[in-house]
Amino acid sequence: NAGVTQTPKFRVLKTGQSMTLLCAQDMNHEYMYWYRQDPGMGLRLIHYSVGEGTTAKGEVPDGYNVSRLKKQNFLLGLESAAPSQTSVYFCASTITGLSGNEQFFGPGTRLTVL
Amino acid sequence: KQEVTQIPAALSVPEGENLVLNCSFTDSAIYNLQWFRQDPGKGLTSLLLIQSSQREQTSGRLNASLDKSSGRSTLYIAASQPGDSATYLCAVSQAGTALIFGKGTTLSVSS
Repeated sequence: NAGVTQTPKFRVLKTGQSMTLLCAQDMNHEYMYWYRQDPGMGLRLIHYSVGEGTTAKGEVPDGYNVSRLKKQNFLLGLESAAPSQTSVYFCASTITGLSGNEQFFGPGTRLTVL
Repeated sequence: KQEVTQIPAALSVPEGENLVLNCSFTDSAIYNLQWFRQDPGKGLTSLLLIQSSQREQTSGRLNASLDKSSGRSTLYIAASQPGDSATYLCAVSQAGTALIFGKGTTLSVSS
Protein backbone atom coordinates (compact mmCIF):
# COMPACT_ATOMS: atom_id res chain seq x y z
CA ASN A 1 0.00 0.00 0.00
CA ALA A 2 1.94 3.02 -1.30
CA GLY A 3 -0.68 5.62 -0.30
CA VAL A 4 -0.41 8.79 -2.39
CA THR A 5 2.50 9.05 -4.80
CA GLN A 6 3.58 11.94 -7.01
CA THR A 7 5.71 12.06 -10.13
CA PRO A 8 8.15 13.72 -10.64
CA LYS A 9 9.72 14.81 -7.35
CA PHE A 10 11.64 17.72 -8.86
CA ARG A 11 11.45 19.59 -12.15
CA VAL A 12 12.95 22.71 -13.67
CA LEU A 13 11.11 24.34 -16.57
CA LYS A 14 11.73 27.34 -18.76
CA THR A 15 9.02 29.95 -19.14
CA GLY A 16 6.49 28.83 -21.71
CA GLN A 17 7.20 25.11 -21.45
CA SER A 18 4.48 22.66 -20.53
CA MET A 19 4.41 19.70 -18.19
CA THR A 20 2.10 17.30 -16.40
CA LEU A 21 2.30 16.28 -12.77
CA LEU A 22 0.93 12.86 -11.93
CA CYS A 23 -0.75 11.89 -8.68
CA ALA A 24 -1.69 8.30 -7.96
CA GLN A 25 -3.44 6.74 -4.96
CA ASP A 26 -4.08 3.10 -4.20
CA MET A 27 -6.62 3.57 -1.38
CA ASN A 28 -9.72 3.63 -3.63
CA HIS A 29 -10.41 7.22 -2.59
CA GLU A 30 -13.12 9.18 -4.38
CA TYR A 31 -11.88 12.70 -3.67
CA MET A 32 -8.53 14.02 -4.89
CA TYR A 33 -6.96 17.46 -4.61
CA TRP A 34 -4.06 19.53 -5.92
CA TYR A 35 -2.56 22.19 -3.64
CA ARG A 36 0.38 24.50 -4.00
CA GLN A 37 2.55 25.64 -1.10
CA ASP A 38 4.37 28.95 -1.20
CA PRO A 39 6.39 30.69 1.52
CA GLY A 40 4.20 33.03 3.54
CA MET A 41 1.04 31.87 1.73
CA GLY A 42 0.48 28.43 3.16
CA LEU A 43 -1.21 25.71 1.13
CA ARG A 44 -3.85 26.78 -1.37
CA LEU A 45 -6.22 24.63 -3.41
CA ILE A 46 -5.72 24.62 -7.18
CA HIS A 47 -8.28 22.07 -8.43
CA TYR A 48 -10.08 19.08 -7.01
CA SER A 49 -12.12 16.07 -8.08
CA VAL A 50 -14.99 14.32 -6.32
CA GLY A 51 -14.89 11.27 -8.55
CA GLU A 52 -13.71 9.75 -11.79
CA GLY A 53 -14.46 12.04 -14.71
CA THR A 54 -15.20 15.11 -12.56
CA THR A 55 -13.08 18.15 -11.76
CA ALA A 56 -13.67 21.54 -10.15
CA LYS A 57 -11.76 24.76 -9.60
CA GLY A 58 -10.24 25.72 -6.30
CA GLU A 59 -8.86 28.98 -4.97
CA VAL A 60 -6.00 29.46 -7.47
CA PRO A 61 -6.89 27.58 -10.72
CA ASP A 62 -5.54 30.01 -13.33
CA GLY A 63 -2.78 28.59 -15.52
CA TYR A 64 -3.55 24.98 -14.59
CA ASN A 65 -5.72 22.22 -16.02
CA VAL A 66 -6.58 18.84 -14.53
CA SER A 67 -8.00 15.52 -15.58
CA ARG A 68 -9.34 12.50 -13.68
CA LEU A 69 -9.75 9.81 -16.32
CA LYS A 70 -9.13 7.00 -13.86
CA LYS A 71 -10.24 6.91 -10.23
CA GLN A 72 -6.73 6.33 -8.95
CA ASN A 73 -5.03 9.10 -10.95
CA PHE A 74 -5.31 12.89 -10.89
CA LEU A 75 -3.20 14.85 -13.37
CA LEU A 76 -2.21 18.50 -13.08
CA GLY A 77 -1.11 20.24 -16.27
CA LEU A 78 0.73 23.48 -16.88
CA GLU A 79 0.22 24.50 -20.50
CA SER A 80 2.61 27.47 -20.54
CA ALA A 81 4.66 27.67 -17.37
CA ALA A 82 5.35 31.04 -15.74
CA PRO A 83 7.82 31.97 -12.97
CA SER A 84 4.82 32.62 -10.68
CA GLN A 85 4.13 28.89 -10.83
CA THR A 86 7.39 28.11 -9.05
CA SER A 87 6.13 26.26 -6.01
CA VAL A 88 5.83 22.95 -4.22
CA TYR A 89 2.80 21.01 -5.41
CA PHE A 90 1.01 18.53 -3.18
CA CYS A 91 -1.63 16.02 -4.11
CA ALA A 92 -4.05 14.67 -1.52
CA SER A 93 -6.92 12.23 -1.38
CA THR A 94 -9.76 11.19 0.91
CA ILE A 95 -12.46 8.55 0.80
CA THR A 96 -15.32 11.05 0.62
CA GLY A 97 -16.01 14.52 1.89
CA LEU A 98 -17.65 13.33 5.07
CA SER A 99 -16.58 14.62 8.44
CA GLY A 100 -14.75 11.54 9.60
CA ASN A 101 -12.47 11.22 6.63
CA GLU A 102 -8.95 12.57 6.84
CA GLN A 103 -6.91 13.68 3.87
CA PHE A 104 -3.70 11.89 2.97
CA PHE A 105 -0.93 13.76 1.21
CA GLY A 106 1.74 12.81 -1.28
CA PRO A 107 5.42 13.76 -0.84
CA GLY A 108 5.21 16.78 -3.14
CA THR A 109 6.71 17.96 -6.42
CA ARG A 110 9.17 20.84 -6.28
CA LEU A 111 8.82 22.89 -9.49
CA THR A 112 11.06 25.75 -10.55
CA VAL A 113 10.17 27.87 -13.57
CA LEU A 114 13.02 29.99 -14.90
CA LYS B 1 -14.64 33.27 3.56
CA GLN B 2 -13.05 30.90 6.05
CA GLU B 3 -9.70 32.02 7.41
CA VAL B 4 -7.40 29.94 9.60
CA THR B 5 -4.80 31.56 11.83
CA GLN B 6 -2.03 29.90 13.79
CA ILE B 7 -0.24 31.54 16.68
CA PRO B 8 2.63 31.70 17.31
CA ALA B 9 4.35 31.54 13.92
CA ALA B 10 7.48 30.14 15.58
CA LEU B 11 8.28 28.63 18.95
CA SER B 12 11.51 27.52 20.59
CA VAL B 13 11.49 25.39 23.74
CA PRO B 14 13.94 23.22 25.67
CA GLU B 15 13.51 19.48 25.63
CA GLY B 16 11.00 18.14 28.10
CA GLU B 17 8.68 21.12 28.11
CA ASN B 18 4.95 20.76 27.59
CA LEU B 19 3.64 23.15 24.95
CA VAL B 20 0.48 24.34 23.26
CA LEU B 21 0.00 25.38 19.65
CA ASN B 22 -3.04 27.46 18.80
CA CYS B 23 -5.32 27.51 15.80
CA SER B 24 -8.35 29.72 15.23
CA PHE B 25 -10.89 29.82 12.40
CA THR B 26 -13.48 32.42 11.48
CA ASP B 27 -16.43 30.24 10.39
CA SER B 28 -17.63 27.65 12.89
CA ALA B 29 -19.48 25.62 10.21
CA ILE B 30 -16.73 23.06 9.76
CA TYR B 31 -16.84 19.31 9.02
CA ASN B 32 -13.59 18.52 10.73
CA LEU B 33 -10.20 19.87 11.73
CA GLN B 34 -6.87 18.19 11.04
CA TRP B 35 -3.44 18.78 12.51
CA PHE B 36 -0.46 17.95 10.31
CA ARG B 37 3.27 17.83 10.77
CA GLN B 38 5.65 18.90 8.01
CA ASP B 39 9.39 18.35 8.15
CA PRO B 40 11.61 20.62 6.01
CA GLY B 41 11.38 19.71 2.34
CA LYS B 42 8.90 16.94 3.03
CA GLY B 43 5.21 16.26 2.67
CA LEU B 44 2.44 16.50 5.24
CA THR B 45 1.87 13.82 7.84
CA SER B 46 -1.56 13.70 9.43
CA LEU B 47 -1.36 13.76 13.22
CA LEU B 48 -4.93 14.04 14.44
CA LEU B 49 -8.38 14.54 12.98
CA ILE B 50 -11.22 15.93 15.08
CA GLN B 51 -14.72 15.63 13.70
CA SER B 52 -17.06 18.56 14.23
CA SER B 53 -19.05 16.60 16.83
CA GLN B 54 -15.95 15.77 18.88
CA ARG B 55 -14.15 17.81 21.53
CA GLU B 56 -10.72 16.21 21.48
CA GLN B 57 -8.49 13.50 20.12
CA THR B 58 -5.36 11.95 21.55
CA SER B 59 -2.43 10.10 20.02
CA GLY B 60 0.53 9.30 22.22
CA ARG B 61 1.99 12.57 23.54
CA LEU B 62 -0.33 14.63 21.38
CA ASN B 63 -3.75 15.91 22.36
CA ALA B 64 -5.88 18.13 20.15
CA SER B 65 -9.01 19.93 21.33
CA LEU B 66 -11.76 21.62 19.38
CA ASP B 67 -14.14 24.35 20.49
CA LYS B 68 -16.23 24.88 17.40
CA SER B 69 -18.42 27.61 18.84
CA SER B 70 -15.44 29.83 19.64
CA GLY B 71 -13.53 28.84 16.50
CA ARG B 72 -10.49 27.48 18.30
CA SER B 73 -8.35 24.38 18.42
CA THR B 74 -5.22 23.63 20.40
CA LEU B 75 -2.53 21.02 19.91
CA TYR B 76 -0.90 20.01 23.16
CA ILE B 77 2.49 18.29 23.00
CA ALA B 78 3.66 16.67 26.23
CA ALA B 79 7.30 16.21 27.19
CA SER B 80 8.66 17.66 23.96
CA GLN B 81 11.65 16.04 22.25
CA PRO B 82 14.12 17.29 19.61
CA GLY B 83 12.43 14.93 17.15
CA ASP B 84 9.26 16.99 17.52
CA SER B 85 10.95 19.89 15.71
CA ALA B 86 8.90 20.58 12.59
CA THR B 87 6.19 22.85 11.24
CA TYR B 88 2.71 22.07 12.53
CA LEU B 89 -0.22 22.92 10.30
CA CYS B 90 -3.87 23.24 11.23
CA ALA B 91 -6.56 22.83 8.56
CA VAL B 92 -10.36 22.84 8.52
CA SER B 93 -12.76 21.16 6.13
CA GLN B 94 -16.09 22.65 5.16
CA ALA B 95 -19.01 21.02 3.37
CA GLY B 96 -16.92 18.09 2.21
CA THR B 97 -14.55 20.14 0.13
CA ALA B 98 -10.86 20.84 0.38
CA LEU B 99 -8.93 21.77 3.47
CA ILE B 100 -8.27 25.40 4.34
CA PHE B 101 -4.90 25.73 5.97
CA GLY B 102 -3.27 28.02 8.46
CA LYS B 103 0.29 29.14 7.77
CA GLY B 104 1.73 26.94 10.45
CA THR B 105 3.77 27.09 13.63
CA THR B 106 7.45 26.19 13.30
CA LEU B 107 8.58 24.40 16.45
CA SER B 108 12.19 23.99 17.51
CA VAL B 109 13.00 21.77 20.50
CA SER B 110 16.55 22.02 21.77
CA SER B 111 18.35 19.27 23.67
